[in-house]
Amino acid sequence: AQSVAQPEDQVNVAEGNPLTVKCTYSVSGNPYLFWYVQYPNRGLQFLLKYITGDNLVKGSYGFEAEFNKSQTSFHLKKPSALVSDSALYFCAVREPGDYKLSFGAGTTVTVRA
Amino acid sequence: EAQVTQNPRYLITVTGKKLTVTCSQNMNHEYMSWYRQDPGLGLRQIYYSMNVEVTDKGDVPEGYKVSRKEKRNFPLILESPSPNQTSLYFCASSSRRTGVNTGELFFGEGSRLTVL
Repeated sequence: AQSVAQPEDQVNVAEGNPLTVKCTYSVSGNPYLFWYVQYPNRGLQFLLKYITGDNLVKGSYGFEAEFNKSQTSFHLKKPSALVSDSALYFCAVREPGDYKLSFGAGTTVTVRA
Repeated sequence: EAQVTQNPRYLITVTGKKLTVTCSQNMNHEYMSWYRQDPGLGLRQIYYSMNVEVTDKGDVPEGYKVSRKEKRNFPLILESPSPNQTSLYFCASSSRRTGVNTGELFFGEGSRLTVL
């Protein structure tokens, strides 16, 4: 069965500093990996995805993520965080041929001015 | 504008009073799904539908029903709500078309349900 772990409930960074949100996954085959962001009182918004190809994936709002097969990780990164990046971030995984997305518990990011 | 629309956005009800949360998408997506979000648990899938008249259970289906009579609509039905169904509910949809489907889900804005 597929699953995702986000080991940090909260991440706090100062504005302008690098931001990393960690995610590890478990699937039986090659994974499709996703990051979503949720702002207060809003639905989830798609940030980026890894399907195949280059291990470094670039997405919306300056975010990127690196797929590491040997470590089964897909960490989300942003070189310089903004206060407006404060939100709840979810990592998700699915297996090819399956339509179900399995989500992690989420990581709350707080960027202080 | 491509969107998934849920109603109501907020609802307070009492134990046992049947309610329906509607979901509609305008993207002609074949796949639709319901999730509930609870603190510390992330999103858990309740039910999903691969196409019209095709539905199946997700991870936490107990206490819920769904139907898919039209492609665009996927209502979630709580026949006899209980307090443990107090949660934030999300409807989502995705395309299944070859070359398009990579599993990206489009989410509604959420429906916050409180059962007293």
